[in-house]
Formats: sequence, structure tokens, C-alpha cells
Amino acid sequence: DVVLTQSPLSLTVTLGQPASFSCKSSQSLLYSDGNTYLSWFHQRPGQSPRRLIYNVFNRDSGVPDRFSGSESGTDFTLRISRVEAEDVGLYYCMQGTHWPFTFGPGTKVEIK
Amino acid sequence: EVQLVQAGAEVKKPGESLTISCKASGYNVSDYHITWVRQMPGKGLEWMGRVDPSDSWTDYSPSFEGRVTISTDKSINTVYLHWSSLKASDTATYFCGRTHDLREGIHLWGRGTLLTVSS
Repeated sequence: DVVLTQSPLSLTVTLGQPASFSCKSSQSLLYSDGNTYLSWFHQRPGQSPRRLIYNVFNRDSGVPDRFSGSESGTDFTLRISRVEAEDVGLYYCMQGTHWPFTFGPGTKVEIK
Repeated sequence: EVQLVQAGAEVKKPGESLTISCKASGYNVSDYHITWVRQMPGKGLEWMGRVDPSDSWTDYSPSFEGRVTISTDKSINTVYLHWSSLKASDTATYFCGRTHDLREGIHLWGRGTLLTVSS
């Protein structure tokens, strides 16, 4: 199975400051159709997850533009340009290129 | 409103069977794949499997193959997740979700069903 390694596992950020999370894949996530199926999800405490980003850098409808995704080979990054209080929770990456699809272990974000 | 409706909680004993449901509201369940995701207490997300409700084609992650069964009843716009014999280790929250493109992940999530299996 493809292993997604997220770092850091925990992050304390200051309101208004930037934050970034890493997701490293054990294999290339480039699929035969030319797409790279790496998504990011945010889960607030006690809530269902919400997809933020799909196919590396495509923001979902309603997701603020302070969220952005990027890639460098098998390394993927989610960036928040200015952290807001509502950004607390867990951030998961997920790959949909190789079966079975897998999630990373998550990065927990707390606000200072 | 387009949503996936899941029951809040179930409490069962080891060895019992259980079917939990995921009802599509506001759209035809046949129009999108439905995926099930497990989240054990305090842990991360695990992709269990999916169904194409239009033809009931299913795929399971090897970790869950043989342990659960995913099915559909198109007449009532509902997808199911079934266990024939529960274990304590099945205690978790189970989310269903709709995918536009399966590989892109879930874009519409249910609120989850918390399953507690305890003697």
C-alpha cells in the first residue's frame, strides 16, 4: 500500500500567521490519465471531514483562497497564508492513485 | 438540500450482526459513488470501500474485504454497510461520503455513525 507520511504531526500556530503541512508519498501519485490524485481534508473536533483541495491544488467550492496546495515530486504541501481560529483541527492528505486508497496520519493544528 | 443522512449511534455486543445506513437526500443516489470511511477512537481516517449505486459494483480495501459488505437499495436512495459478526475492534465512527470522481476523494460527507461494540 502507498504510505503517506505527514509532518509535523502537531503544529501550534499564531492567528494571522502562515502555516504549512507536508505529506510525503512512498510512491509517485501520477496516474495514467495524467492526473495526480492527492487531496487534503480538514476535520474539526467532533465534525465530519471536509475536502479542501483535490488533485494537488484544486480548491473546493467555498474554500477560502488562503488555502493552497502544491507538489514537488512525491512531496506535497498544504499552505494557509493567514491562519484563522476556524482552522483548528486535523488535516489529512489522501491519495487516490493507487489501490487501496490511503490517508496520511494527519497533522493536528492548534491556535496559540 | 443535498446531504447524506446517517443514524447517530449504535451499541451492539460482540458476535452480533449490524447494518448501518447512509440515505442520500436531495439527489439520486445512483448518480455518484458512495464510499465508506472508518475512524477509530482518537485515530485517523481509513478508506474501507465503495459502491457504484447505479449497478451495485463494489470495491473493498484489502483490510476490510470479507469483514464488511456494502450494498444499495436504489428504491429508497440508500446505501448500507453490514457486519455479520461484530468484534470489539469494530468500535469506531463510520462515515459515508459521495464522490464525483472516486480518485478525488469524498466531496460530500455524512455526519457519521458511532458504533460501540462491547460486552
